[in-house]
Amino acid sequence: QAVVTQEPSLTVSPGGTVTLTCGSSTGAVTSGHFPYWFQQKPGQAPRTLIYDTSNKHSWTPARFSGSLLGGKAALTLSGAQPEDEAEYYCLLSYSGGRPVFGGGTKLTVL
Amino acid sequence: EVQLVESGGGLVQPGGSLRLSCSASGFTFSSYAMHWVRQAPGKGLEYVSGVTSNGGSTHYAESVKGRFTISRDNSKNTLYVQMSSLRLEDTAFYYCVKDRGAGIAVAATLDYWGQGTLVTVSS
Repeated sequence: QAVVTQEPSLTVSPGGTVTLTCGSSTGAVTSGHFPYWFQQKPGQAPRTLIYDTSNKHSWTPARFSGSLLGGKAALTLSGAQPEDEAEYYCLLSYSGGRPVFGGGTKLTVL
Repeated sequence: EVQLVESGGGLVQPGGSLRLSCSASGFTFSSYAMHWVRQAPGKGLEYVSGVTSNGGSTHYAESVKGRFTISRDNSKNTLYVQMSSLRLEDTAFYYCVKDRGAGIAVAATLDYWGQGTLVTVSS
């Protein structure tokens, strides 16, 4: 099974910009992996932020954006707010629709 | 408003069985694939299983294959997972998740999440 890798932790200053990445052990991440990004705050269920690389849900704040960057999927937060402090998970789908989550990135806004 | 409400979690001994349910509302349940995702306490997310909108096709993570069975009753707007031969490492919150489409052959396009139900496997 493929391994999906994320930074274990990142810190961003309030108002700052940070990029979280999502890599694949099988090679470059493409749109064909249908990259997803989820946000999970302590004690809450995850919620979907970004789907199919760069599409936002109606509840996704405009300061979040998704892209492909350097062979990885990327989630960029521009203008970080204290409420953005959370765990972020990416999900990639492989052949036959087999999905694999990354290990998560703990984002601190400090 | 989409709502997914899981139930059936609890304490079970190793080797035991448990069936989780997910009651769905706020959308046409029979039109969408559904999934189970779990999260051990303090750990990351793990994909468990998915089923197509008509229940005709399923897939499972290797860690649960042969032990878990996903199913759905479209007449009752309910998703299930029957878990057997439970192990200590199956202890987790189990989330019911709606897909954005009807199939599972190409990708898991996870959409709305339930609040989860806790399964604890312990002697």
